[in-house]
Formats: sequence, structure tokens, C-alpha cells
Amino acid sequence: DIQMTQSPSTLSASVGDRVTITCRASQGISRRLAWYQQKQGRAPKLLIYEASTLASGVPSRFSGSGSGSEFTLIISGLQPDDFATYYCQQYNNYWTFGQGTKVEIK
Amino acid sequence: QVQLVESGGGVVQPGRSLRLSCAASGFTFSSYGMHWVRQTPDKGLEWVASISYDGSNEDFADSVKDRFTISRDNSNNRLYLELNNLRPEDTAVYYCAKGVGVYGYRPQDYWGQGTLVTVSS
Repeated sequence: DIQMTQSPSTLSASVGDRVTITCRASQGISRRLAWYQQKQGRAPKLLIYEASTLASGVPSRFSGSGSGSEFTLIISGLQPDDFATYYCQQYNNYWTFGQGTKVEIK
Repeated sequence: QVQLVESGGGVVQPGRSLRLSCAASGFTFSSYGMHWVRQTPDKGLEWVASISYDGSNEDFADSVKDRFTISRDNSNNRLYLELNNLRPEDTAVYYCAKGVGVYGYRPQDYWGQGTLVTVSS
């Protein structure tokens, strides 16, 4: 099984900050990685797939990069609506999620 | 707009069965792979099962293999998950999710609101 490890687990930030979340796969997954945003009590929402492709309707302040086993999600200019939990997911071999990164208000 | 609405969750005793349903609308259901993903506070998000657009291919997580069954009714735009021999560790919110494409290893681009399954005596 491919394990996904995110860091940090929690991140405190202010509106306008640049936020970086890292995701590491236990083995190479090419670029078969997605990022999801989940707000309390809501379903996950697809933000990015193929490591760097923005899903439909996702603001351009979200960006993703990486390949192989190291990936990054960047939010450039954090907005009030962005305080949420973010998950990475590999889909190279079945589907596995990271444990999540909670972005909270500083 | 894409809508996925799960139903069928509830409280069930260990060893019993439950059937979850997902009503899909807003897209051509018969053209997309579909998935079930569950979530708990402890274990986070866990992929459970997937089925191809025509039902000819299925995949299951090891934790549910031989206990859960996935199926779909393309004529009525419905996805199902049959949960058998339930265990306390199956307690979770179960999400129905639409895959990107007909099947294969792709992400899920739309999710339902989830239905809670609680396995307890």
C-alpha cells in the first residue's frame, strides 16, 4: 500500500499569508496526486489533480507542484474562505489519502 | 449541477447488514466510474470501493473485501453499497463520489454530503 504523509498537521496563518502544505508518498506516484479542501461538516472538494491542474472553478491563488514522491500545495494570499482542512490523495495505485492539514486562523 | 445524495445510514449491531444508496443527478451517470469513501475522526479519509461506468469492474479496500458489495443501476442513476458482517471499526461517514472518467485510477471530482453508519451493540 502507498502511504501518504502530510506536513504540518496544523498550520496557523493570517489572511493574506502565503501557505505551503507538503505531501510525501511512500513510493513514487508520478504526478497522480490530488488535493482536496474540506470544511467542517462538509464533503471534500477537489482543488487540484495531476499534481498541478486546477479543478474547475478553483481560484488561481491555489497552486500545486511536485512529482514522484514529493508534492506541495500553495495558497498565495490566504482568504477567509480558505480556513479548512486540506488532504492530498494518491491515485497511482488505488486511492490513499494523507491525514490532513488543518489551516486555522492565527 | 452535479448532485449526489446518499441515504441508508443508521445504527446497526455488529454482524448485521446495511445497504447504502446514492442518487445521482446533473451528469450522465452511466458514463462515469463511481466510488465510496468513508471518514472517521481517527482514521481520516479512507477509500472503500469503486465501480466502473458499466459495472464490469469493481475494486475494494482490503479492510472491506469479502464483506462489502458495490453495484449500480444506470437506468435509475443510483449507486449502492451493501455492507455485510459489520464491525465497530466500520463506523464512519460514508461518501458517494463521482470519478473523473469512466474508471481507472482517477480522482473524485464531486462528492455527496455523506451518510453516517454507526456499528454498535
